[in-house]
Amino acid sequence: DAGVIQSPRHEVTEMGQEVTLRCKPISGHDYLFWYRQTMMRGLELLIYFNNNVPIDDSGMPEDRFSAKMPNASFSTLKIQPSEPRDSAVYFCASSFPTGSGANVLTFGAGSRLTVL
Amino acid sequence: SQKIEQNSEALNIQEGKTATLTCNYTNYSPAYLQWYRQDPGRGPVFLLLIRENEKEKRKERLKVTFDTTLKQSLFHITASQPADSATYLCALTSSGSARQLTFGSGTQLTVLP
Repeated sequence: DAGVIQSPRHEVTEMGQEVTLRCKPISGHDYLFWYRQTMMRGLELLIYFNNNVPIDDSGMPEDRFSAKMPNASFSTLKIQPSEPRDSAVYFCASSFPTGSGANVLTFGAGSRLTVL
Repeated sequence: SQKIEQNSEALNIQEGKTATLTCNYTNYSPAYLQWYRQDPGRGPVFLLLIRENEKEKRKERLKVTFDTTLKQSLFHITASQPADSATYLCALTSSGSARQLTFGSGTQLTVLP
């Protein structure tokens, strides 16, 4: 298995532009998570899906952020319009519950976003 | 408010020694606690999971302890090697939200040859 695949790996854009980050989870995993990582705030959970349905989006910082999961093999995180404070590394992770019920996450390599 | 603290932003130890990393939490009732390793430019990688009713878990040179009274987990790497140098993150799953994983800020470990 190729693991969790994210694209693009790096994105540099100007303030006000739309940014779309993409994620392909591991086949068979029924949970998908979007995290954001910065030096100041660490890893923050933005939103997660179960069987393509958003379960908790309370971590999404503003209405400028939106996430979709149209099918089991694809998810997007969109920022419109982007701002310099959105600069961060965005991680997608997928999982299926273990026998104990806990989620063990497999992360993608991340998308490093720089908004100028 | 809920808080996960990993003390020592950076920890340097000599090769062959045991590294001990700490994860403290407040205002959580964790069902599970996990440890991940993160290398520069990469996503975190799962290492170990321990449940609230377990005291200790081992995997090769790694050992995790979990003390729900002290609200603390200790992560040990025995016979440390330079290849163990990385950032180590602890993560909690609360009993009330079994699918969400909240991460600490991490401890950067450097093993000196």
